[in-house]
Amino acid sequence: DGGITQSPKYLFRKEGQNVTLSCEQNLNHDAMYWYRQDPGQGLRLIYYSQIVNDFQKGDIAEGYSVSREKKESFPLTVTSAQKNPTAFYLCASSIVARGGPYNEQFFGPGTRLTVL
Amino acid sequence: QKEVEQDPGPLSVPEGAIVSLNCTYSNSAFQYFMWYRQYSRKGPELLMYTYSSGNKEDGRFTAQVDKSSKYISLFIRDSQPSDSATYLCAMKVDDKAAGNKLTFGGGTRVLVKP
Repeated sequence: DGGITQSPKYLFRKEGQNVTLSCEQNLNHDAMYWYRQDPGQGLRLIYYSQIVNDFQKGDIAEGYSVSREKKESFPLTVTSAQKNPTAFYLCASSIVARGGPYNEQFFGPGTRLTVL
Repeated sequence: QKEVEQDPGPLSVPEGAIVSLNCTYSNSAFQYFMWYRQYSRKGPELLMYTYSSGNKEDGRFTAQVDKSSKYISLFIRDSQPSDSATYLCAMKVDDKAAGNKLTFGGGTRVLVKP
């Protein structure tokens, strides 16, 4: 089955700790994205990557970091600098879009992060 | 003010009714308009995708875009309990620099009662 997997499904963190959320895809997509979803606020883009070893900040990158060492993987680290990290985190992937038509973003099942 | 506004609901309808959802936006550069469906604790899935103005129909779903009013709509005919979900609108500019970046509305929660 082709798709996107995220792990873990639920994650609990103590204040002051860094945590890393996993995102893997076997769709052979070049582009990958991380979103944060809070109640009533829709999805907000944290980081995105259109090619291995390259990534760009989204609208709310502060307190987060990413890496893209492999095409299939795009892990997100939530650092202690993120002031309000409790949220639902969604990873997505798509074929590369360098402007023009929209290329569908396929979403993973999400990771719910709770800071204790 | 958010770039894309969407009533959070919940919108409760009886089974078989027409569900009417909408979003307003402020950025006139948006050219691509999407509707995603998200079941509870799941990732969103694309329902409909429209370019510029006009209507698009797919089965029980109809998407409308009115760029002059900066207003988009999604209609669900003959609604079923399985349509109960949160519906998110999303938009994209036609600009190489923006890549595939989407701007989402906050989502409307829909409940279809048997």
